[in-house]
Amino acid sequence: ETGVTQTPRHLVMGMTNKKSLKCEQHLGHNAMYWYKQSAKKPLELMFVYNFKEQTENNSVPSRFSPECPNSSHLFLHLHTLQPEDSALYLCASSLSLAGGWRRTGGELFFGEGSRLTVL
Amino acid sequence: GENVEQHPSTLSVQEGDSAVIKCTYSDSASNYFPWYKQELGKRPQLIIDIRSNVGEKKDQRIAVTLNKTAKHFSLHITETQPEDSAVYFCAANGNKLVFGAGTILRVKS
Repeated sequence: ETGVTQTPRHLVMGMTNKKSLKCEQHLGHNAMYWYKQSAKKPLELMFVYNFKEQTENNSVPSRFSPECPNSSHLFLHLHTLQPEDSALYLCASSLSLAGGWRRTGGELFFGEGSRLTVL
Repeated sequence: GENVEQHPSTLSVQEGDSAVIKCTYSDSASNYFPWYKQELGKRPQLIIDIRSNVGEKKDQRIAVTLNKTAKHFSLHITETQPEDSAVYFCAANGNKLVFGAGTILRVKS
């Protein structure tokens, strides 16, 4: 157990539904991330939060809406998704921000992921 | 921005043989290069990393080498075992951490 918990682990939704993914970490980390993992593609960075402030939005469509109420919790709100959005969504956290203008580096701790299927 | 290329996309080796996975990066200012292992149905986990002030790092059967001039780094696994079978991702830390596409390693017993 790495300390990063994601719920739900599996989610099936229609294109008109609204759902949310939740991520929680109790590692005392200050940075949290959402990644999308599709078959045969690199891990795609979606959003980054540092001290609950968004520092990166990697040109993600507005049908994905992140929320970070505090340094321990991160949500991904989903609405009017498309079938091509079906993927594994991974949350991660790190003690300090990976990259950034200081180009700091440190271990990312990933959650188990939420497997999303859009019908 | 940073771009990371990873090769090969799949690699099959016999148990006991060595495996080498190579990555190139584009941002010469990148200074941190981690490798993550993702077993089937599991989360990615860091297995080894290297910073730009060293050329090689070892941890038991795994090692990473870095050539800053050529902007490439490699993961070496010696004496491979079936439990090494997984997807391996390299990454480079430019203005953001960018991952390679992954290498599926199969170790045949």
